[in-house]
Amino acid sequence: GQNIDQPTEMTATEGAIVQINCTYQTSGFNGLFWYQQHAGEAPTFLSYNVLDGLEEKGRFSSFLSRSKGYSYLLLKELQMKDSASYLCAVRAPSGGSYIPTFGRGTSLIVHP
Amino acid sequence: DVKVTQSSRYLVKRTGEKVFLECVQDMDHENMFWYRQDPGLGLRLIYFSYDVKMKEKGDIPEGYSVSREKKERFSLILESASTNQTSMYLCASSLTGGYTFGSGTRLTVV
Repeated sequence: GQNIDQPTEMTATEGAIVQINCTYQTSGFNGLFWYQQHAGEAPTFLSYNVLDGLEEKGRFSSFLSRSKGYSYLLLKELQMKDSASYLCAVRAPSGGSYIPTFGRGTSLIVHP
Repeated sequence: DVKVTQSSRYLVKRTGEKVFLECVQDMDHENMFWYRQDPGLGLRLIYFSYDVKMKEKGDIPEGYSVSREKKERFSLILESASTNQTSMYLCASSLTGGYTFGSGTRLTVV
C-alpha cells in the first residue's frame, strides 16, 4: 500500500519562510507533486519532482530525496493569500498506469 | 490551458436515488480520475480510467460505478445514494504530467 505523511496544520507570519514536509512509503515511485487548495476550491498544481534535488519556481521551491522517501515545499516571503491547504501526492505504478496517492494535506495559516 | 468541467457545483439528493456526476475534459487526456474529499481524510481515489471503456477500482469503490464511453467524458454513478456519500467529489485528468482538477461537486444526500 501507499502511505504519505504530512503535518496537519502549520502557522507562520506574513513575510516569513515556511517549510512543509512530506514523507512517503510507496510501492514504486514515478514522481511527487505538490498542490495548493484554497477552501472550497479545486487543488491547483504547484510543482513536480521526479529526480532528487531542488526545483525552484518563484517564491515556491520543492525538494525531493528518493532514498529517504522525503520531500518538502518551501514557501518564501509569505503572503496572506498563501493561507491554504497544501497537498503532497506521490505517483506510483498501478496495473497498466500510474496513480497519484494524496496525503491528507497541511493547512497553512498565515497571520499578519 | 486544460479545462476539466464538472456539470454541477452543488447537488442535493435523497437517500436511495441514483446519482450521476459528470466530468468532461477538453485536452484529449487518456487518464481520468474520480476522488472524494472529506475533512481529515484528504483526497481518496474512487475509480480511474486510462482509456475509453477501461476502468479500474481505486481505494474506495464500494457504492460507486463509472462510465467512460468517450475519451473526454468520465461519469461517476452512485447506484443508491446514502448519507455517508455526502462529500466533495473531484474529477481530474492527466496525460503524462500533472493532474488538472475540476471545480468539484459538493453532494449532499438527505
